[in-house]
Amino acid sequence: GAGVSQSPSNKVTEKGKDVELRCDPISGHTALYWYRQSLGQGLEFLIYFQGNSAPDKSGLPSDRFSAERTGGSVSTLTIQRTQQEDSAVYLCASSLGGMSSYEQYFGPGTRLTVT
Amino acid sequence: GDSVTQMEGPVTLSEEAFLTINCTYTATGYPSLFWYVQYPGEGLQLLLKATKADDKGSNKGFEATYRKETTSFHLEKGSVQVSDSAVYFCALISSGSARQLTFGSGTQLTVLP
Repeated sequence: GAGVSQSPSNKVTEKGKDVELRCDPISGHTALYWYRQSLGQGLEFLIYFQGNSAPDKSGLPSDRFSAERTGGSVSTLTIQRTQQEDSAVYLCASSLGGMSSYEQYFGPGTRLTVT
Repeated sequence: GDSVTQMEGPVTLSEEAFLTINCTYTATGYPSLFWYVQYPGEGLQLLLKATKADDKGSNKGFEATYRKETTSFHLEKGSVQVSDSAVYFCALISSGSARQLTFGSGTQLTVLP
């Protein structure tokens, strides 16, 4: 079946512009996660959605970052007024539920470059 | 907070050599432990996992044992292949309310023919 998909695969933007990154989770997966992979910081958690519960936003690095998940499926991560330090690969993952025993399936990522 | 420390790379081995990548963790309670692998040009994928002390996760010839007494989850393979060349990440999910993965820094493995 289809895996987690993300778009765009690559995004180059100018400093100060806003960007939107999209994630389509595996159908039927109620949990959705955003992570960031950068050279300096490794793999970092950003935000977690589980069903209709309030998201866990504890990993968002600043108020320029926000995310939403519509209809319990597709999610969009928005970065406002991008900075060069936002350059990274943004990974989305989904799982059947919030239990730690459920495997998180990762998408291919969106490589964001802020110039 | 939770953290994962893994052996720094890069690691270069000859085909059929024995592989160990060390991983230790700090977490309260009883976390679930994972090894993820990222092959060149591909996304992260789960390699193996263990959810309680003394459990052994295994897959594709790789093994790791959850050692509570040493807070470790070392990855081993008896005979590596060129196709095992990848970046390996140790990770945990806390036993608390958090559901996100906490990752180690990753270890780049290159296997030479």
